[in-house]
Amino acid sequence: SAVISQKPSRDICQRGTSLTIQCQVDSQVTMMFWYRQQPGQSLTLIATANQGSEATYESGFVIDKFPISRPNLTFSTLTVSNMSPEDSSIYLCSGNRGGTGELFFGEGSRLTVL
Amino acid sequence: KQEVTQIPAALSVPEGENLVLNCSFTDSAIYNLQWFRQDPGKGLTSLLLIQSSQREQTSGRLNASLDKSSGRSTLYIAASQPGDSATYLCAVFKAAGNKLTFGGGTRVLVKP
Repeated sequence: SAVISQKPSRDICQRGTSLTIQCQVDSQVTMMFWYRQQPGQSLTLIATANQGSEATYESGFVIDKFPISRPNLTFSTLTVSNMSPEDSSIYLCSGNRGGTGELFFGEGSRLTVL
Repeated sequence: KQEVTQIPAALSVPEGENLVLNCSFTDSAIYNLQWFRQDPGKGLTSLLLIQSSQREQTSGRLNASLDKSSGRSTLYIAASQPGDSATYLCAVFKAAGNKLTFGGGTRVLVKP
């Protein structure tokens, strides 16, 4: 399986601040994605992180709120900007292994906004 | 738009019983289907991946079947154990647009 490490694993933040989540994947991964899982809900795709270019965002998610970078093949960051309590969720980084297309996930970053 | 549904939403069984988890999807044009396990507050662990050309996959006590034409997949877990207690999610991957759509999950409790 592909190795995906994510940090921080959890954080408690104040309203109005921003938090950057980092994700490191191994070289088997070709595509990288960011998901959000709100309390008691399933996963929702935020965006596909593209190497060296702007991320591809899903409907309902915008770059100003969730800027994403992927400077190289194996590293990506997601920033949650100007946070409000509604942003309290688990944010998950994932990677798609080329060939089979199997998807692997990091341990997630549990964010609580007060 | 692809929709993925998992029934039941929750399931409680005594230890030793076999588990049957259902997943249905509305658009049969899928690239693959993947089953995951999620423990509370944790990330997802990949259990089984079924390519669109396959009918089933097996790993240990786990067996997943895929019927694309009817838009269904079933995950069987034989001889359940308390350690199998978790939420199980299925997801379908559509090659066009590279979108993975998740079901709502089935929360499983195996009682000792």
